[in-house]
Amino acid sequence: EIVMTQSPATLSVSPGERATLSCRASQSVSSNLAWYQQKAGQAPRLLIYGASTRATGVPVRFSGSGSGAEFTLTISSLQSEDFAVYFCHQYNSWPRTFGQGTKVEIK
Amino acid sequence: EVQLLESGGGLVQPGGSLRLSCAASGFTFSNYAMTWVRQAPGKGLEWVSGISERGGSTYYADSVKGRFTISRDDSKNTLYLQMHSPRAEDTAIYHCAKTPTPLLSGSYPDYWGQGILVTVSS
Repeated sequence: EIVMTQSPATLSVSPGERATLSCRASQSVSSNLAWYQQKAGQAPRLLIYGASTRATGVPVRFSGSGSGAEFTLTISSLQSEDFAVYFCHQYNSWPRTFGQGTKVEIK
Repeated sequence: EVQLLESGGGLVQPGGSLRLSCAASGFTFSNYAMTWVRQAPGKGLEWVSGISERGGSTYYADSVKGRFTISRDDSKNTLYLQMHSPRAEDTAIYHCAKTPTPLLSGSYPDYWGQGILVTVSS
């Protein structure tokens, strides 16, 4: 099983600042990596797939990068609606696995 | 608009059985692979099972293999998860999710339902 490790667990950021979230896989997942945003009581929302492709309707301030085993989600200028938990997900191998999440909170 | 609505959750005793349903609308259900993902209280996401279009292929997490069965009824636009012999550790919110492709290979959830709570307890 591929273990996905996200860091940090919690990120405190002021509105308007940049947020950088990391996701590391225990072995290569190529570019088969997705990022999701989840707000309390809501379903996860797809942000990024293929490591760097924004999903439909996702603002350009969200960007993904990386390949192999190291990935980054960057939110260029945090808006109030961006404070949430973010998960990475590898879909390269079975079983599919998720990271444990990074909570982005208001500083 | 893609909509996924789970039902059938609730309290179930260990060793019992429960069937979750997911009613899909807003897309051609039969053309896409579907998955179940769960989230234990206060925990992260765990992929549970997936099924390709027309049910040709199914996959399960090791934690549920042999106990859970995924199926679909394309005539009813509905996805199912039959849970046999559930355990306390199966307590979670269960989300059904659509994928953007017919096959599970190289695919990921793109739309999710709100989820339904399953509590396994005596």
